[in-house]
Amino acid sequence: SQQGEEDPQALSIQEGENATMNCSYKTSINNLQWYRQNSGRGLVHLILIRSNEREKHSGRLRVTLDTSKKSSSLLITASRAADTASYFCATDPIRGTSYGKLTFGQGTILTVHP
Amino acid sequence: DTGVSQDPRHKITKRGQNVTFRCDPISEHNRLYWYRQTLGQGPEFLTYFQNEAQLEKSRLLSDRFSAERPKGSFSTLEIQRTEQGDSAMYLCASSLRSEQGARTGELFFGEGSRLTVL
Repeated sequence: SQQGEEDPQALSIQEGENATMNCSYKTSINNLQWYRQNSGRGLVHLILIRSNEREKHSGRLRVTLDTSKKSSSLLITASRAADTASYFCATDPIRGTSYGKLTFGQGTILTVHP
Repeated sequence: DTGVSQDPRHKITKRGQNVTFRCDPISEHNRLYWYRQTLGQGPEFLTYFQNEAQLEKSRLLSDRFSAERPKGSFSTLEIQRTEQGDSAMYLCASSLRSEQGARTGELFFGEGSRLTVL
């Protein structure tokens, strides 16, 4: 079953604009991760934010995490046509038998027009 | 290339046939995961291994599905008596879990094996 919901399901922007994607989840987490998937390909890890962190940056990516609202957002600044892909959030549960087993959301399809 | 490799990349089969997918993880990774992804959806967890031990199986994994990881290296996922509903992308991923229980946290995915059942 899917842990989270992502919003929006699809996002279409012009090159140079910023793209924001949101993720909500249901259970307590150890960390939350964002992945990117080009059409027909495997997933590529983008960034990981731990449950005790509120914000993290990596290049043009900025991730926030609000554990009280069980939500996260991914911001891609100054988007490029090459950023066109599907983006998934994935939650890593707290320690226990499922430790390390990621549960993915349904994804946001991002299209960046040149 | 030292990434996760999957074989075959594409498989077309007739309903009722058996299929097997292979995954070779990153060599130093001790955890290996199988996920299934259908069109427009996120990956759904199927099963995972720590070394050669299968630690958890999803309820999605019916009796027709079996996964192995002999010797804690490569893994195979076999689907017996395939059904049209099995058509999906089967993704393999690996990660590293240290002896102290810490790990890098991220999964490294292969390119997937796309199954089409006619």
